[in-house]
Amino acid sequence: AQSVTQLDSQVPVFEEAPVELRCNYSSSVSVYLFWYVQYPNQGLQLLLKYLSGSTLVKGINGFEAEFNKSQTSFHLRKPSVHISDTAEYFCAVRPSGNTPLVFGKGTRLSVIA
Amino acid sequence: GAGVSQSPSNKVTEKGKDVELRCDPISGHTALYWYRQSLGQGLEFLIYFQGNSAPDKSGLPSDRFSAERTGGSVSTLTIQRTQQEDSAVYLCASSLRSLTYEQYFGPGTRLTVT
Repeated sequence: AQSVTQLDSQVPVFEEAPVELRCNYSSSVSVYLFWYVQYPNQGLQLLLKYLSGSTLVKGINGFEAEFNKSQTSFHLRKPSVHISDTAEYFCAVRPSGNTPLVFGKGTRLSVIA
Repeated sequence: GAGVSQSPSNKVTEKGKDVELRCDPISGHTALYWYRQSLGQGLEFLIYFQGNSAPDKSGLPSDRFSAERTGGSVSTLTIQRTQQEDSAVYLCASSLRSLTYEQYFGPGTRLTVT
């Protein structure tokens, strides 16, 4: 079965510093990859997705992620974070075919002023 | 337009009681999903409805959990004889059609079993 590992449960970072949130998945022939953000007391919102094509994917709020097939990774990055980026971030995988999303356990990003 | 809505936003119940959680998907979305978000456990898939097809119940953790979707729109997740380990946030999502389409999430229902 497909699995997703988010290596860091919590990531504190100072405002305007760069950040990388790591995500690895178990290998599969082909997968679709997603990052979701959950602000406090809100539902999940799609940040970005990789379906095919360019391995560098740009999303909302200045985030981007790079699909690395050989390392089975899909790390999320932002060059300069803001206080408003404080939230929980979830990486998700959908194996090809009609199967549900598989989520990682989430990474709590805390941006410090 | 309106997003996915869920009710109640919070529910506290005693162990052994039954609870019903409601989800109103985005109008026109034919696919609907339920997930459970437990502390430190990420999101766990529970059940998936697509149109008039039989639902994918493969994620339901026990026979105390059931869900229905009436008229292809509103869905109700029912937990019978609640246990403390059922305490979690239950999230509903909908998508335009099948799993290949982006899922839009509701704000969730926080269930606390005392």
